[in-house]
Amino acid sequence: DTEVTQTPKHLVMGMTNKKSLKCEQHMGHRAMYWYKQKAKKPPELMFVYSYEKLSINESVPSRFSPECPNSSLLNLHLHALQPEDSALYLCASSHWKWETQYFGPGTRLLVL
Amino acid sequence: KNEVEQSPQNLTAQEGEFITINCSYSVGISALHWLQQHPGGGIVSLFMLSSGKKKHGRLIATINIQEKHSSLHITASHPRDSAVYICAVRVRGGSNYKLTFGKGTLLTVNP
Repeated sequence: DTEVTQTPKHLVMGMTNKKSLKCEQHMGHRAMYWYKQKAKKPPELMFVYSYEKLSINESVPSRFSPECPNSSLLNLHLHALQPEDSALYLCASSHWKWETQYFGPGTRLLVL
Repeated sequence: KNEVEQSPQNLTAQEGEFITINCSYSVGISALHWLQQHPGGGIVSLFMLSSGKKKHGRLIATINIQEKHSSLHITASHPRDSAVYICAVRVRGGSNYKLTFGKGTLLTVNP
């Protein structure tokens, strides 16, 4: 199984809503990543978890709150988002930090 | 100036043509990745290189560390190869987790 899954595929939310994005992998990878990608731009790293501990936070606003409940699962909790947060949110995982990252299909988020 | 530059930005080819996409970088790296992203889709890792050449099916990736340059070649191109191809590097001495991305090359292969 070389797959990273993400749910939901699409999400529309208002600025006062609270929602969560979910990412799962069963490859035994110990590093997991959240990226944000705007249209026609490369991905931007948001967070990295290593062995279920937050390793990197790229100065992401607190309205984005990551969580790694176990080694297979990564969540991104969203609260009080702004329209400019609309983007494709990609999850990735790697066996260890310097190895190939496997990406999920992404969640396309629209904030109204 | 971006640390990772790709050329061309856009490329249109006829089915069957040989394709080359280039990536130049200005920093010392420990690895270089080639990624593929179909429109509206997720990203697929094609290759990770630190030296030499790798081949997978119709795709070939090469890297010249001294010249700080990598190329991605597609032989016998097919419309399903139409996608954005992204070069990304892991900067030596930087975080081992972080990739620095190029802006991507949009490839369109017409039947």
